[in-house]
Amino acid sequence: QKEVEQDPGPLSVPEGAIVSLNCTYSNSAFQYFMWYRQYSRKGPELLMYTYSSGNKEDGRFTAQVDKSSKYISLFIRDSQPSDSATYLCAMSGGGGADGLTFGKGTHLIIQP
Amino acid sequence: SQTIHQWPATLVQPVGSPLSLECTVEGTSNPNLYWYRQAAGRGLQLLFYSVGIGQISSEVPQNLSASRPQDRQFILSSKKLLLSDSGFYLCAWSVWGSSTDTQYFGPGTRLTVL
Repeated sequence: QKEVEQDPGPLSVPEGAIVSLNCTYSNSAFQYFMWYRQYSRKGPELLMYTYSSGNKEDGRFTAQVDKSSKYISLFIRDSQPSDSATYLCAMSGGGGADGLTFGKGTHLIIQP
Repeated sequence: SQTIHQWPATLVQPVGSPLSLECTVEGTSNPNLYWYRQAAGRGLQLLFYSVGIGQISSEVPQNLSASRPQDRQFILSSKKLLLSDSGFYLCAWSVWGSSTDTQYFGPGTRLTVL
């Protein structure tokens, strides 16, 4: 069983729609959760970071963590064509130099 | 603010040739440093990480090696490239001792081995 599962997509939605991106994980020790956005042929950039369970909002983006279900989500409101990218989830138990466990990424396409 | 650089941006090399990719970080001291390879459909594969000068941990046995000659410099090398070494190579850094392990990525080097 893989540690982090993420649907690779592609996920294609019309402009203005609400997008929901998700990851499931198996390691109950994970307590720090991140979302990265990666444009084609570019390095991933940190989008959102959350600790433990709960929600965090930043503009059009909301990150949600449900540790009891081992499930995290990223919601994008009022999606724009510029949101078209691959979104990677990442997580860690904290304090380990070997760092993060990544999902494989979901390729998102916002149709104008 | 912190900045991470990688070069070259693109590289085309013949099989059997040597490789040297360089990564430098500015604006922070004693960072943790990482090398990843990203192949299509396979996600990010951690190759090496370093918690200090001369300290390298390898995650995957292969014909690649890494070195950290200076605090903010991380080099990925190979003596003889294989076709399977093609991919997108990413360097990343995180704050030493951070509880969150948040990593920040460079722009990447796209390597094609022919």
